Amino acid sequence: EAGVAQSPRYKIIEKRQSVAFWCNPISGHATLYWYQQILGQGPKLLIQFQNNGVVDDSQLPKDRFSAERLKGVDSTLKIQPAKLEDSAVYLCASSSWTEQFFGPGTRLTVL
Amino acid sequence: GENVEQHPSTLSVQEGDSAVIKCTYSDSASNYFPWYKQELGKRPQLIIDIRSNVGEKKDQRIAVTLNKTAKHFSLHITETQPEDSAVYFCAAFSGGGADGLTFGKGTHLIIQP
Repeated sequence: EAGVAQSPRYKIIEKRQSVAFWCNPISGHATLYWYQQILGQGPKLLIQFQNNGVVDDSQLPKDRFSAERLKGVDSTLKIQPAKLEDSAVYLCASSSWTEQFFGPGTRLTVL
Repeated sequence: GENVEQHPSTLSVQEGDSAVIKCTYSDSASNYFPWYKQELGKRPQLIIDIRSNVGEKKDQRIAVTLNKTAKHFSLHITETQPEDSAVYFCAAFSGGGADGLTFGKGTHLIIQP
């Protein structure tokens, strides 16, 4: 079974620039999550999709972050404009029941 | 919302000894508690989980205990080995229609040879 795929693996941008991350979940997994993991901390949920609908985006900074999951499969997370404090690893996870499987993450550095 | 506290933040044990990591949660409605292991630069990997209708679960050298009354759960690793060195995260599923996990801040486990 193929795992959760994410790209790019690394991204370096300057503050106020825009950036987008892509996630392809495990085939057949209806639920997709985006987490932000700041260095030295545990992952923090940003947004949860069930198929192509948003279930929870209460911790997503909506003034600069947006996410979509078209056709209930792949998802993109966008930051516009980026701030220094957005430097983190962005993890995508998917699940079909309770267990969540994580992708390798995208490490974002904002200079 | 749910709040998960984890301690210690760093734990150093001699190879072969046991390690215990403890977590507390705030939402009494939480009913699923996974533990993840994350090696440097890699993704979190699920190592064991427990549901609220079970008090203890064991898988070879790893065990998890849950005390619903006290709202705390613990990870126990016996006969530790060098490859157990990693950061371990506990998490709780707070329910309410959304099943994103709330994670603790992590424990850096160091196995001394």
